[in-house]
Amino acid sequence: EAGVTQFPSHSVIEKGQTVTLRCDPISGHDNLYWYRRVMGKEIKFLLHFVKESKQDESGMPNNRFLAERTGGTYSTLKVQPAELEDSGVYFCASSPRQGFGYTFGSGTRLTVV
Amino acid sequence: AQKVTQAQTEISVVEKEDVTLDCVYETRDTTYYLFWYKQPPSGELVFLIRRNSFDEQNEISGRYSWNFQKSTSSFNFTITASQVVDSAVYFCALSEAASTGGYQKVTFGIGTKLQVIP
Repeated sequence: EAGVTQFPSHSVIEKGQTVTLRCDPISGHDNLYWYRRVMGKEIKFLLHFVKESKQDESGMPNNRFLAERTGGTYSTLKVQPAELEDSGVYFCASSPRQGFGYTFGSGTRLTVV
Repeated sequence: AQKVTQAQTEISVVEKEDVTLDCVYETRDTTYYLFWYKQPPSGELVFLIRRNSFDEQNEISGRYSWNFQKSTSSFNFTITASQVVDSAVYFCALSEAASTGGYQKVTFGIGTKLQVIP
């Protein structure tokens, strides 16, 4: 079984540019989560999809962040325009509709310069 | 609100020493899950253990052991005979139980960076 896949693994962009991160969950996992770890801080929840619907987006920092999950499969997280404080590692995780199996991807390291 | 505290931000030990990583949590939920994850230098989060709030049995897996004490809201992690490959950031985490089974969003501690010196 393939795990949670995230693209790209690294991204370096200039302040003001736009970046889109992608997450492919484990096939059949209805739940998809985005988390972020800013350097030296804890890993923080951003949002949770159940299929294509946003179940909880309480962790989204501001309206420069837009997450989508069209068709309930892969998800994208767009940052527009990027700011220096957006630098960090963005993790995606997925889990089945019920039960366990919460699996994290390898993360995307975003550096805004 | 849920909170996870890992008071040790960095620990250095010499190879073969035992090391314990502390984790204290806060939650108002009666049913919850506790986790430990490892983040090696390569960056991915590696699942180590999950424990639900009704199971206070300690667990041992090879050189790893976990001590869950509800009375002190702690879930400590011990590595016995540490090795260089254990060098990583270790995260303790907490999640409430979902009504449908399983769990919802995870609250992480700040992480403890462990360096094992050869």
